[in-house]
Amino acid sequence: NAGVMQNPRHLVRRRGQEARLRCSPMKGHSHVYWYRQLPEEGLKFMVYLQKENIIDESGMPKERFSAEFPKEGPSILRIQQVVRGDSAAYFCASSTGQGILYEQFFGPGTRLTVL
Amino acid sequence: QKEVEQNSGPLSVPEGAIASLNCTYSDRGSQSFFWYRQYSGKSPELIMFIYSNGDKEDGRFTAQLNKASQYVSLLIRDSQPSDSATYLCAVNIPSARQLTFGSGTQLTVLP
Repeated sequence: NAGVMQNPRHLVRRRGQEARLRCSPMKGHSHVYWYRQLPEEGLKFMVYLQKENIIDESGMPKERFSAEFPKEGPSILRIQQVVRGDSAAYFCASSTGQGILYEQFFGPGTRLTVL
Repeated sequence: QKEVEQNSGPLSVPEGAIASLNCTYSDRGSQSFFWYRQYSGKSPELIMFIYSNGDKEDGRFTAQLNKASQYVSLLIRDSQPSDSATYLCAVNIPSARQLTFGSGTQLTVLP
């Protein structure tokens, strides 16, 4: 499967626990984006990363949320001390680069439920 | 004003009709425009992109871009019940480094 991969597909956490969401971009893609989608709402940008660099985190909440894209391995979105309002679908997308011609391809998403 | 605006719908059309989905954007410097389809509970799927003024056709889909009026539209000809989904407009706004999405238009094609 050469598409964007995300795991887990479903994640249940209790309030106060940590959630770790993983994303492996498409082969040949070095740019990763994370989006959050609340029920019945549109996609909201969170963070844009390249290998070992955070390029834009303007959409990321200042507290409890962090993201990384190490030299080896998948990109990780980490949510500490989850609250019920964090329940949402989290999508990862990847692209070959930046510029007017790039297209983003989405993974299947991780659906986080906070009890 | 939102950066990317879409009518939320729902939009209902009979099978075989043309469905017209519209999107307006605020940043006149925007250069690339994308339409994604999202089925309920699934991830967005890229169906069309357009960079130049005018029409771009791909099968039953036609994307139309008018930069002077700052709108982009998607026409779906011969609509099928399988086209029932939420359609997301996304714009590459120069001031941002990522796509900015509209809230989506929910389309229902009635058999």
